[in-house]
Amino acid sequence: EPEVTQTPSHQVTQMGQEVILRCVPISNHLYFYWYRQILGQKVEFLVSFYNNEISEKSEIFDDQFSVERPDGSNFTLKIRSTKLEDSAMYFCASKVPEQFFGPGTRLTVL
Amino acid sequence: TQLLEQSPQFLSIQEGENLTVYCNSSSVFSSLQWYRQEPGEGPVLLVTVVTGGEVKKLKRLTFQFGDARKDSSLHITAAQPGDTGLYLCAGSRVGGTSYGKLTFGQGTILTVHP
Repeated sequence: EPEVTQTPSHQVTQMGQEVILRCVPISNHLYFYWYRQILGQKVEFLVSFYNNEISEKSEIFDDQFSVERPDGSNFTLKIRSTKLEDSAMYFCASKVPEQFFGPGTRLTVL
Repeated sequence: TQLLEQSPQFLSIQEGENLTVYCNSSSVFSSLQWYRQEPGEGPVLLVTVVTGGEVKKLKRLTFQFGDARKDSSLHITAAQPGDTGLYLCAGSRVGGTSYGKLTFGQGTILTVHP
């Protein structure tokens, strides 16, 4: 059964560094999403992506965040200058209405 | 702002008991999904309900979508230790400027004791 994959599974970085989180959505899906989950808190929507552009974003998704689909299969989330409060699990999801989630990347900012 | 209130937050029961988890909102959703999440992993889809009043069954799990599509419930019959985990409800709206982003409830941590 097709599944969403994410790499790396765990990323440790220093505050102020750039990180790129990678996702390979299920092929033939057209809608892509990033969510994050801070430890002990609810899953929060970050951004949705359709037809090679951002279709909707939350207030969390500020200028430090960007997404792109560079090669038609990968879907990336970039954080330009990480902050301590960016430490969280980041999940990629694809399809609508039901969304299938990847296993997540645990980002730890020191 | 759409909010989904999920209750109870914690549920600890004995094997064989029945339980219900509730998900309530003041907003109307196009669809509502229930997920189960294990520690350190991504949410795994259990079911999607899209029609007001819809009832779906998945073995011992029964999911219901409210007539007004503002609330949902998950009922587990004869709970087993293997049902232990975090259950999440998530609502989606499609149309207008919304492209199906999910709004999640806080989750219900279920523990089933043997």
